[in-house]
Amino acid sequence: GAVVSQHPSRVICKSGTSVKIECRSLDFQATTMFWYRQFPKKSLMLMATSNEGSKATYEQGVEKDKFLINHASLTLSTLTVTSAHPEDSSFYICSARVTGGFNQPQHFGDGTRLSIL
Amino acid sequence: AQTVTQSQPEMSVQEAETVTLSCTYDTSESDYYLFWYKQPPSRQMILVIRQEAYKQQNATENRFSVNFQKAAKSFSLKISDSQLGDAAMYFCAYRSEDSGGGADGLTFGKGTHLIIQP
Repeated sequence: GAVVSQHPSRVICKSGTSVKIECRSLDFQATTMFWYRQFPKKSLMLMATSNEGSKATYEQGVEKDKFLINHASLTLSTLTVTSAHPEDSSFYICSARVTGGFNQPQHFGDGTRLSIL
Repeated sequence: AQTVTQSQPEMSVQEAETVTLSCTYDTSESDYYLFWYKQPPSRQMILVIRQEAYKQQNATENRFSVNFQKAAKSFSLKISDSQLGDAAMYFCAYRSEDSGGGADGLTFGKGTHLIIQP
């Protein structure tokens, strides 16, 4: 149980393209999902907290207009990297927490490797 | 803001031996959660073990156990009878018990690369 699916797993695109990454909780409902970014050989940095039906909460230094988050249902959150540039190349990982389970751990997706040429 | 420090970028252990990974953290909160996650080459984050700060008893999960020292703000992970499949990056993580506003993501350390020698 508690499976989180992230799609796509790998994206390679040209500079200026917008890229959408999906995060789905397959066997549970997730009011809250989280988006992290991981640089090579580095730790995960929280980018934003996505709450179903409301605006995402962004961490300091994360551009809201650059990284658009939508959490329209209890099983799906999307991260759109708008007008991506090479510096946006990174590994993006989502996680989800079971609805009503504030004390529950986060379940992570497999991540998306984004490469901007 | 909370910070998590893992002072060992890399550790190596012989198969079947025991290894301890260090983690310290800084917080002004009294209630919180601590986690150890494993990230193998496949890159998926896998929860290894968790500890609630209000619990004095150290958490254990089979071959994995922690030494939680709340006063020292230390949270080390001990892996007993190391196996080849344990090779991975290990991240220590902190989460507030109640940060309010729904913003309660994890704060991660920089990770320790664990190598298992056959």
